[in-house]
Amino acid sequence: DSGVTQTPKHLITATGQRVTLRCSPRSGDLSVYWYQQSLDQGLQFLIQYYNGEERAKGNILERFSAQQFPDLHSELNLSSLELGDSALYFCASSATWGVAEKLFFGSGTQLSVL
Amino acid sequence: AQTVTQSQPEMSVQEAETVTLSCTYDTSESDYYLFWYKQPPSRQMILVIRQEAYKQQNATENRFSVNFQKAAKSFSLKISDSQLGDAAMYFCAYREGKSSGDKLTFGTGTRLAVRP
Repeated sequence: DSGVTQTPKHLITATGQRVTLRCSPRSGDLSVYWYQQSLDQGLQFLIQYYNGEERAKGNILERFSAQQFPDLHSELNLSSLELGDSALYFCASSATWGVAEKLFFGSGTQLSVL
Repeated sequence: AQTVTQSQPEMSVQEAETVTLSCTYDTSESDYYLFWYKQPPSRQMILVIRQEAYKQQNATENRFSVNFQKAAKSFSLKISDSQLGDAAMYFCAYREGKSSGDKLTFGTGTRLAVRP
């Protein structure tokens, strides 16, 4: 168990809908990262937050948004969903930021858009 | 942009034998880390081993070791005494630290099968 909790584990929804994925980092970790794993795009970095502030943005669509709350949990919001958004969404956390920091991954949320 | 290439989509190894998974990367940076992650059917991403670019000595973790060739930008993973539990997808990843963020860039993965 990595200590990173993601809910829900599975989510099935329809095109055009909006969903929220939740991530609770390891106790004390200030950095949260979101990654998307899909069959055609592989594992891609979406966004990073550090202590409530956005620190880095990757290949995140404008239909997607995220935030990190004062209690350090994070939410990834996906709107106007399309079939191609079906993927496994990972959250990871680290104590702080920097290349040497060890990342701990959650078990992911499997999103299926029908 | 940094890229990570895994040229072996699938590999197979006999139980108790040794297998090597290949990875190459492209970067102009000098300060970075390289990683191998394992993703079993449970989908959990598990860190297998990591290598600091400034260290010449190859990292080892029990049955797992790497061959890090910085000039060639090559980072292969050797699994010795392969076990059935080693069957999984293996991802090579690169990470550099910049003020713009410290994301992981992953390769496309190698699916490893272990034959009993």
